[in-house]
Amino acid sequence: AQKVTQAQTEISVVEKEDVTLDCVYETRDTTYYLFWYKQPPSGELVFLIRRNSFDEQNEISGRYSWNFQKSTSSFNFTITASQVVDSAVYFCALSEARDTGRRALTFGSGTRLQVQP
Amino acid sequence: DGGITQSPKYLFRKEGQNVTLSCEQNLNHDAMYWYRQDPGQGLRLIYYSQIVNDFQKGDIAEGYSVSREKKESFPLTVTSAQKNPTAFYLCASSSILTSTDTQYFGPGTRLTVL
Repeated sequence: AQKVTQAQTEISVVEKEDVTLDCVYETRDTTYYLFWYKQPPSGELVFLIRRNSFDEQNEISGRYSWNFQKSTSSFNFTITASQVVDSAVYFCALSEARDTGRRALTFGSGTRLQVQP
Repeated sequence: DGGITQSPKYLFRKEGQNVTLSCEQNLNHDAMYWYRQDPGQGLRLIYYSQIVNDFQKGDIAEGYSVSREKKESFPLTVTSAQKNPTAFYLCASSSILTSTDTQYFGPGTRLTVL
């Protein structure tokens, strides 16, 4: 069965610290997509990144970086030099198995990041 | 600007009433989705639609209904049969053509039952 686990419920750091959000997934598909979304206090989910299961290269976008390791079924997200504006709930998500016919996403329970000034 | 709009932002319902949440998108996306989010939890799929005049139940469809008469619109009705409707409701859309399943979300509607 599809499953996404975000074991860290809440993380608190001081501004300028680096922080890593963990994501572990389970799927029976060989082709799938992994996502990270940010949910600020306003509530809207903001798309951050999509990763294809065949592309294990790490990706960096400014202060954000993502580490995809198929061998451990993990897709971790690191924020370097965190800022107060990074405070939000972050969700990891997995595309559903192709044989279900559903093109929905399976979400983890989210990690609340609080960055203190 | 392209995007997804949801209205109202806040909605209060008395027990026994049906209410309808609006979702409109101008991204020309084929697929649309409704998710429910409860405090401290992830998103759970209520209904989804991949084409006009067709929609499918998600994981928690009981007590909800939808329609998809236009490509741009996917309203959700929360019926009196929904036992615990107080939650945050998020609408999303995606392009079937790209096959990447990337979903873009609206700002959400927070429903409270009085």
